[in-house]
Amino acid sequence: QSALTQPPSASGSPGQSVTISCTGTSSDVGGYNFVSWYQLHPGKAPKLIIYEVSKRPSGVPDRFSGSKSGNTASLTVSGLQAEDETDYYCSSYAGSNNLVVFGGGTKLTVL
Amino acid sequence: EVQLVESGGGLVQPGGSLRLSCVASGFGFSTYWMTWVRQAPGKGLEWVANIKQDGSEKYYVDSVKGRFTSSKDNAKNSLYLQMNSLRAEDTAVYYCARGRGYCTSTTCQIYYFDYWGQGTLVTVSS
Repeated sequence: QSALTQPPSASGSPGQSVTISCTGTSSDVGGYNFVSWYQLHPGKAPKLIIYEVSKRPSGVPDRFSGSKSGNTASLTVSGLQAEDETDYYCSSYAGSNNLVVFGGGTKLTVL
Repeated sequence: EVQLVESGGGLVQPGGSLRLSCVASGFGFSTYWMTWVRQAPGKGLEWVANIKQDGSEKYYVDSVKGRFTSSKDNAKNSLYLQMNSLRAEDTAVYYCARGRGYCTSTTCQIYYFDYWGQGTLVTVSS
């Protein structure tokens, strides 16, 4: 069982928006603004798409956005494209000993 | 271009050992924390270990403490993970990644990973 809770699946039609949630506790998501999101395409290197809750690395489209409220973080993908169909994972800093915890992942399907 | 290339994975019997390597290029390897993350088959990602720029600080997830050791050879731009007393539950794809976060004069909080390798598969089975 993963430390952070994500829905196993999410879906939307091309052009629509979809939001993926990531629920933790006050010891991780709620305690720090250190939430990140990663995109995992099978057979490829994982890609950082959001860090520090809402910041986008250079080269990541602004269709990807992040937010947080209390112990729940969210990733919103706007203007869905076929290439967005893959797995998404959230993570959060969890305190001492540089512990980082991940969610169980969400498979995003573009209908 | 930042590149991270892992190697060393394979099939090993329970109780056995394996050493993973990760060769970095395209950035100042000696100036970054590095991280190992793994993904068991059909499971989510799991942070395994962090190592400081000069190798002087190391952190591990509880499940591998005392069995896994991370090391860094800055002269060879290489990161290593020595895995001993392997268990079936260690079966996973192991990724190396560049660690980023917030540092003060005395400590660092490493909380995101901006570049990753493609991973190497470790299978622990008899």
